[in-house]
Amino acid sequence: DAKTTQPPSMDCAEGRAANLPCNHSTISGNEYVYWYRQIHSQGPQYIIHGLKNNETNEMASLIITEDRKSSTLILPHATLRDTAVYYCIVFSGSSNTGKLIFGQGTTLQVKP
Amino acid sequence: EAGVTQSPTHLIKTRGQQVTLRCSPISGHTSVYWYQQALGLGLQFLLWYDEGEERNRGNFPPRFSGRQFPNYSSELNVNALELEDSALYLCASSYRVGPQHFGDGTRLSIL
Repeated sequence: DAKTTQPPSMDCAEGRAANLPCNHSTISGNEYVYWYRQIHSQGPQYIIHGLKNNETNEMASLIITEDRKSSTLILPHATLRDTAVYYCIVFSGSSNTGKLIFGQGTTLQVKP
Repeated sequence: EAGVTQSPTHLIKTRGQQVTLRCSPISGHTSVYWYQQALGLGLQFLLWYDEGEERNRGNFPPRFSGRQFPNYSSELNVNALELEDSALYLCASSYRVGPQHFGDGTRLSIL
């Protein structure tokens, strides 16, 4: 029952920007877009989140379209250590469920 | 700043046994969440504790239970273990409704 759609896999050359798309056409007004990644055998790592404005931190940038129906996570200079499964999740803290719904995510393979 | 810590990292049990998994949240975080990730499957929400109270539980049988202590640490208990309970059990914590931060999990194998 994931509310997001992501491509199952993507490749990126080391040192280039990785742009990971996500569709969330049914997003509600109070839902944020969250991105996590999971490297094999580790727990998911929080990357970034946003409501409607573009966001940037030390790890990545998040671009949300004006209608909020899609977003793109940008890793500006991908390294081999960025190889992971990336999850796009819509979540509202005010929903009182505490439940993050993880879909299948995008497997990003960074190649030398 | 220490992240979410879980213990043990690995555990082997047999069918019918009981197991307790432990989680220490990030300092200052008051909510703890438990998820199950079976091999090849996605993360499934198990439980949410906040301020010592169970706030929500996922679609799991009652033999999955837990609690949160006054210091905000948490335990997940699973009774009458079944082969299908073999999975990575992940704990996350958050401050109020902020982002959930995950530990590296406990890998439970049922023989």
